[in-house]
Amino acid sequence: DAKTTQPPSMDCAEGRAANLPCNHSTISGNEYVYWYRQIHSQGPQYIIHGLKNNETNEMASLIITEDRKSSTLILPHATLRDTAVYYCIVRVAYNTNAGKSTFGDGTTLTVKP
Amino acid sequence: DTEVTQTPKHLVMGMTNKKSLKCEQHMGHRAMYWYKQKAKKPPELMFVYSYEKLSINESVPSRFSPECPNSSLLNLHLHALQPEDSALYLCASSSPGLRQGARGPDSGNTIYFGEGSWLTVV
Repeated sequence: DAKTTQPPSMDCAEGRAANLPCNHSTISGNEYVYWYRQIHSQGPQYIIHGLKNNETNEMASLIITEDRKSSTLILPHATLRDTAVYYCIVRVAYNTNAGKSTFGDGTTLTVKP
Repeated sequence: DTEVTQTPKHLVMGMTNKKSLKCEQHMGHRAMYWYKQKAKKPPELMFVYSYEKLSINESVPSRFSPECPNSSLLNLHLHALQPEDSALYLCASSSPGLRQGARGPDSGNTIYFGEGSWLTVV
């Protein structure tokens, strides 16, 4: 699985959009971009994933560049409960074997009142 | 709410003890994982089981012994651990081999995590 690079920390004002970037320049054609977050002392929570099209769900939006070498997770209206470590990982889309999933260091997002 | 259940949530064990961590999922997933996470670090992959067979062992010391009795259960047997093995142990599952081009959470190879088991070795 490809390596990802994220800024170590970001701040965001409550109610504003949080934009979290991720670089994955060595991504392969069959790898999806996944985003997870981990609130202190809990297991990582799945947020969203995509292959090459932009994706949106009830939690967030995912923007993937045309060359697929980077992506941005957007939390449209951040709340205090969105304070967490956000991980971007790339993972083979489908496989008869489960395969590896390597986490980078993630971005610690702090939402401030 | 996670559909991957881990027990116990907290475990304290001595270096000579034998204990086990347990994980269960009922999502029909055929891949299960153990990760280890130290404080302020990302999760590190330990083992992957695919269709009840061990497919990946990330050079984990033999004092950690995984077992997959069936497609819903995953155990991690612990013996002769060291204090530096104290960490959060995360179980996860996914369903490999799904439909190409499908949309939604299970269109790729989404991994779902449990809440983890906090292990302290004294």
